[in-house]
Amino acid sequence: GENVEQHPSTLSVQEGDSAVIKCTYSDSASNYFPWYKQELGKRPQLIIDIRSNVGEKKDQRIAVTLNKTAKHFSLHITETQPEDSAVYFCAASRREYGNKLVFGAGTILRVKS
Amino acid sequence: DGGITQSPKYLFRKEGQNVTLSCEQNLNHDAMYWYRQDPGQGLRLIYYSQIVNDFQKGDIAEGYSVSREKKESFPLTVTSAQKNPTAFYLCASSSPRKGREQYFGPGTRLTVT
Repeated sequence: GENVEQHPSTLSVQEGDSAVIKCTYSDSASNYFPWYKQELGKRPQLIIDIRSNVGEKKDQRIAVTLNKTAKHFSLHITETQPEDSAVYFCAASRREYGNKLVFGAGTILRVKS
Repeated sequence: DGGITQSPKYLFRKEGQNVTLSCEQNLNHDAMYWYRQDPGQGLRLIYYSQIVNDFQKGDIAEGYSVSREKKESFPLTVTSAQKNPTAFYLCASSSPRKGREQYFGPGTRLTVT
């Protein structure tokens, strides 16, 4: 089955700097890659997603890149702000398997002001 | 914050007791999912259902059971056979016709002593 690895497990950045979180996946047939943000005690919320037919997607300060050959994808947050502090999860899925999401272990992002 | 609800927010049980967690959605989504979240780990899939009266095991189904008698409801029972039931449980739903995003409920924190 699919296995998703996420790095780093914790990341501290200064406010205004960029943050990059990386994930690798094992199933070359996976074709959907969402990123979720979870604040303490809250539910995960989708912040951006990418499908396998696209190499990059951007939404204001957030971008995701996908390298299908290498089977990895990354989340980029520019001009970080204190409210970006949270746990970020990457995930992968195949439509054929009921869109089941396989999650990475998460990255705790701390933005220091 | 409407759309998908879970109750109760906190649940305490004695070891050896079965307990049922509620998940309801009014999003008209066909698919529903149950995840378990432990500290320092990503979300792990317990069970999922793509349609009423049908469900499949996820990666960690042992000690859990579900039912899907109505489109809106997908209750999860944590049985006494689950060796380590204390965790944060998240329910999610999605609609393939509306994209692949999974929407999460607020979660139930179960403590078994």
